[in-house]
Amino acid sequence: DARVTQTPRHKVTEMGQEVTMRCQPILGHNTVFWYRQTMMQGLELLAYFRNRAPLDDSGMPKDRFSAEMPDATLATLKIQPSEPRDSAVYFCASGRSWGGELFFGEGSRLTVL
Amino acid sequence: DQQVKQNSPSLSVQEGRISILNCDYTNSMFDYFLWYKKYPAEGPTFLISISSIKDKNEDGRFTVFLNKSAKHLSLHIVPSQPGDSAVYFCAASVGHNNDMRFGAGTRLTVKP
Repeated sequence: DARVTQTPRHKVTEMGQEVTMRCQPILGHNTVFWYRQTMMQGLELLAYFRNRAPLDDSGMPKDRFSAEMPDATLATLKIQPSEPRDSAVYFCASGRSWGGELFFGEGSRLTVL
Repeated sequence: DQQVKQNSPSLSVQEGRISILNCDYTNSMFDYFLWYKKYPAEGPTFLISISSIKDKNEDGRFTVFLNKSAKHLSLHIVPSQPGDSAVYFCAASVGHNNDMRFGAGTRLTVKP
């Protein structure tokens, strides 16, 4: 049963600390997305990759957020330094650029105190 | 900028009746549209999609309608069931899974 795996599921940290969220996309998928769920914006696109190349990260605050795909089985989203306003659920999703839908992970709930 | 808009944060319907969820988009380049369903503490799951070459797609109790001239799509659920209670997200992309944008979601409550 193929699925997108995200770690950690929950993270509580203090303001100023570095946070790294990880995502293992479904094998064979060549697009990976990072979304943040907020009450006002819904699912806000932060960044996405195709064939490991970053295509758009305009949704991320560049001074503190960074997204990478070191290899085809791992995508990372890093926040440094974290702030209380970053508290949200972060979702990773993967899919195929030639068809089908996006599959989402269960999300990483981040709380910054 | 919010390229995909769901203007109704919530909707409540009686079991057995029709649920209609609406979505508007601004980017005329979007050509692939999807609806996702989300339960609490879970990731969104795919429900139904439609390509811009069609104006209707049906899958069991779920039908999506696309009005390209109005840049509007809707999801109809008939008949609605209590298990349909969830948050529904509308999404749009240019081509498959490229720059996919989501709306803010509509919370559907189906009352027994």
